[in-house]
Parts: sequence; C-alpha cells; structure tokens
Amino acid sequence: AQKVTQAQTEISVVEKEDVTLDCVYETRDTTYYLFWYKQPPSGELVFLIRRNSFDEQNEISGRYSWNFQKSTSSFNFTITASQVVDSAVYFCALSERSFGNEKLTFGTGTRLTIIP
Amino acid sequence: DTAVSQTPKYLVTQMGNDKSIKCEQNLGHDTMYWYKQDSKKFLKIMFSYNNKELIINETVPNRFSPKSPDKAHLNLHINSLELGDSAVYFCASSQVGTSRLGQFFGPGTRLTVL
Repeated sequence: AQKVTQAQTEISVVEKEDVTLDCVYETRDTTYYLFWYKQPPSGELVFLIRRNSFDEQNEISGRYSWNFQKSTSSFNFTITASQVVDSAVYFCALSERSFGNEKLTFGTGTRLTIIP
Repeated sequence: DTAVSQTPKYLVTQMGNDKSIKCEQNLGHDTMYWYKQDSKKFLKIMFSYNNKELIINETVPNRFSPKSPDKAHLNLHINSLELGDSAVYFCASSQVGTSRLGQFFGPGTRLTVL
C-alpha cells in the first residue's frame, strides 16, 4: 500500500527565512509520480510540481526548489526567502497508475505560517 | 476561464436529505476525480472516471453515487446525508500520461450537514 508521511504538522518562520518541508513516501511501484500542492487560506488546491520516479534531478522554480532522493524515498520542498503569501497548508502526494488513472495518495499536510 | 468548476461552493442541508454537487472541466482532460477533505484537512480519493467509465471506487458508502454524462462532467449525488458527510469535496481532472502537469482541482464544495 502507498503511504505519504509529512512529519511536520506545523512550521512557523519569520519572513525572508528559508524553510524546508519534508515528505517521505512508501510504494512498491517502480513507476510512480510525486506531487506538491499548496492550499492557501482561501481553500483551493494549487498544483506546484509533478515528478516521475525516473527523474531524480532537482528542480528550481523561482523561490521554490524540490529535492527528490529515491535512496531515502524523500521529496522535500524548500522555499527560499519566504514571504507572507507563502502561508498555506502544503500537501505532498504520490500516485500509482491504475488502469491509466493517477490515484493520488496525500500526506496529512504541513501548515506553514510566515510571520511578518 | 475557469479550468475546473464546481457548484455549489457551499451547501448546508439537514440530515437525511439528498443533494448533488456538479463538476465541469474545460481542459479537454479524459479523467476526472472526486476527493473528500475532512475537518483535519486530510484528503482522500473517492472516485475516478476515465472517459466516462468508473475506474476507482475507494470504499465509499453506496449512498454516494458519481455520474459522468460526458468526459467534461462528473457529478456527485449523495443520498440520506449524515453528519459525517460534512467535509469539503474537491473535483479534479487530468490527462493521464501526456504531460508533466498534475491533477487540476476545482475550488471545492463545502458541505455542512446539520
């Protein structure tokens, strides 16, 4: 069975600090996909990144970066120079392929608060 | 242009009633999903449809019945509502296997059962 663990329930940092959100996953599949979503206080789910299990290159998008390490089954997310608008709940998710679908298994989320 | 839309955004109803939530996507995706987010923010898949066919049904009570009239729509009908059904329900869509993008989610429908 698939499982995603986000051990950090809540994190608070002062604005402009860097912050890393941890994600550890379990799966028996050799092909799988990892995701991060952001849920701001307004409630919508915003897609941030999708990474397949064969692509271990780190990715950077502006102030966001992701570190995928298969050896430790981790897919961590770092926000550099955090801003108040980054305050949200962040979800890591894992998908398995099932008859052509991608069924997402979510972690329990990390609530990030950026203090001005 | 809204990619994935849901109606209504808020739904307040009494126990025992029947209600429906509608979802439409204009992204041309072939797969649609329903997820439930409980009061602790835990997100869990309920159903998925691929080209109007039910693919995933995750141990959801049969009071919940999804219906997909076409690839762009996936509605959720709930019979005999219970207090425990109170949650935020998210619809999502994706085009499986063709892009690096993930599932796109609708804005959610907050259901409150009194």
